[in-house]
Amino acid sequence: DAKTTQPTSMDCAEGRAANLPCNHSTISGNEYVYWYRQIHSQGPQYIIHGLKNNETNEMASLIITEDRKSSTLILPHATLRDTAVYYCIEGSQGNLIFGKGTKLSVKP
Amino acid sequence: DAGITQSPRHKVTETGTPVTLRCHQTENHRYMYWYRQDPGHGLRLIHYSYGVKDTDKGEVSDGYSVSRSKTEDFLLTLESATSSQTSVYFCAISEYRDRATYNSPLHFGNGTRLTVT
Repeated sequence: DAKTTQPTSMDCAEGRAANLPCNHSTISGNEYVYWYRQIHSQGPQYIIHGLKNNETNEMASLIITEDRKSSTLILPHATLRDTAVYYCIEGSQGNLIFGKGTKLSVKP
Repeated sequence: DAGITQSPRHKVTETGTPVTLRCHQTENHRYMYWYRQDPGHGLRLIHYSYGVKDTDKGEVSDGYSVSRSKTEDFLLTLESATSSQTSVYFCAISEYRDRATYNSPLHFGNGTRLTVT
């Protein structure tokens, strides 16, 4: 079973920031937090990952709490094309278990 | 997109027949994975490989076997397909050359939709 907990669904207005939370209270010291998304029936798309420091790339920002038990993925200016299922995963090579994710709906 | 090709993209087969799905990568990545995705279950790991001829089981490996004779190809075989194996199958790859790349993310193919009648 997945080791992370995410809300089932969230809505966001187009142009606003989307903040997707994730709890990973059992994460071990050498495990990273990964975020992926899946649009319709395509293969999951990698977004960002981190260990303990906050991370930012061209797609999103990842904020990890100091105790590493939770994180937030931030899409700074959500567009309609960001509507997807977002997965938060903790783990390492060979041990990435996906949960059911958060269905993000970006609305005009 | 990462250079991952899954074939076939769609397949319909009958119960009891053998089926082989192929994943081909052009990235020379060490790790390769097979996942299946079903409504209500999300993505579940079937098998993975950490090198040529090196494979291990995932959480739903029963009824599946894999082989990796070359870095670029990872085959998933259903020896005798059953209706419960109707699913969308995704291949993924990740790079691992050294400690710095140990936690490199997965990159997924576009999937194979398999229907077992």
